[in-house]
Amino acid sequence: GAVVSQHPSRVICKSGTSVKIECRSLDFQATTMFWYRQFPKQSLMLMATSNEGSKATYEQGVEKDKFLINHASLTLSTLTVTSAHPEDSSFYICSASPPPSYEQYFGPGTRLTVT
Amino acid sequence: AQSVTQLDSHVSVSEGTPVLLRCNYSSSYSPSLFWYVQHPNKGLQLLLKYTSAATLVKGINGFEAEFKKSETSFHLTKPSAHMSDAAEYFCVVSPSKAAGNKLTFGGGTRVLVKP
Repeated sequence: GAVVSQHPSRVICKSGTSVKIECRSLDFQATTMFWYRQFPKQSLMLMATSNEGSKATYEQGVEKDKFLINHASLTLSTLTVTSAHPEDSSFYICSASPPPSYEQYFGPGTRLTVT
Repeated sequence: AQSVTQLDSHVSVSEGTPVLLRCNYSSSYSPSLFWYVQHPNKGLQLLLKYTSAATLVKGINGFEAEFKKSETSFHLTKPSAHMSDAAEYFCVVSPSKAAGNKLTFGGGTRVLVKP
């Protein structure tokens, strides 16, 4: 149990376009999901907390208009990188906690490359 | 506030020898502590967690960690390294045992296992 999936696993897009990344909890409902960004050989940086049915909470320094988060159902959160630029290229990972557990389970990640 | 320091960015061991990954934390609360492993281009997998029930915690794949409050440490060990243990390891702290808490990540320790 407690499986989190992400789609796509890899995506290449052109500069100026938008790309959507999906995060799904496959066998549990998650009122809260988290989105992280990881640069090569670095640790994970929390970008935002995604709350089902309400606005996401963004960490300081993360542009909410650039990284749009939608958590429309208890099993799906999406991250849309708008007007992507090469510096947005990174590994994006989501996580969720199956209630009543508090430990987080992570998705396999999405490698975004902006050309 | 909470923070996590992984004292070694890289650890190199020979196959069959012990592995020690060091982690120190600070937290204003009675924290929950985790160790996660990440293989290249993959998401994070939970190795073990400390929840205040026992100070010596056994995890998957032969790993264990000992919580030492007096030293604010949560070091990860394995008696005999295997080639498949080569990966990045993250020590993580959560302020409490509640779902939806933000995690704070250490900088990571990259483990190299030599044949």
